[in-house]
Amino acid sequence: NAGVTQTPKFRVLKTGQSMTLLCAQDMNHEYMYWYRQDPGMGLRLIHYSVGEGTTAKGEVPDGYNVSRLKKQNFLLGLESAAPSQTSVYFCASREQGVAYNEQFFGPGTRLTVL
Amino acid sequence: GENVEQHPSTLSVQEGDSAVIKCTYSDSASNYFPWYKQELGKRPQLIIDIRSNVGEKKDQRIAVTLNKTAKHFSLHITETQPEDSAVYFCAAYYTGGGNKLTFGTGTQLKVEL
Repeated sequence: NAGVTQTPKFRVLKTGQSMTLLCAQDMNHEYMYWYRQDPGMGLRLIHYSVGEGTTAKGEVPDGYNVSRLKKQNFLLGLESAAPSQTSVYFCASREQGVAYNEQFFGPGTRLTVL
Repeated sequence: GENVEQHPSTLSVQEGDSAVIKCTYSDSASNYFPWYKQELGKRPQLIIDIRSNVGEKKDQRIAVTLNKTAKHFSLHITETQPEDSAVYFCAAYYTGGGNKLTFGTGTQLKVEL
């Protein structure tokens, strides 16, 4: 049981390049989330999904797109990377339930945009 | 939407002392309050959580208290050890919030020998 995994672990992009970050979970969780973490700003939600085929905007969605074609995968895309998108990106997932339950995080992807 | 404020941003204590981190939230409908610990270079991990029908919860050296009237909750760590050094995040969730947590900005805790 690998839990939540993220690919790649590190990446360096030039301004204007595009890339996709992959998040995968093997816990059959309905909900998945993408966050970015910047010094002094905590974890800010980019986009999230409440089930296969659904996505919704979070707190800081501009410049990012997402897709949830399969329940176990949640992809985060940067179409034209900017230096302001230099950050550590975390994916998370949790089970569906009446009450909120534990959210499991992936190991993170460190992205640098030059 | 929900807004969570966390204080202090940094906290330094001597080994064996207690540490307290405080958070306030804005939406009185919030009903779930987790605390995450993030060691350097690692992922955030849940260490304790509390729901709005409970005022206090303990797990060995850590405890969380909730004051719904004042809309604040706190993390208490007793007998601190060097391995407690990490960044701690509080968060809040309410049912009408779109199935997502709102996080505080984090507290860097350093336990000195």
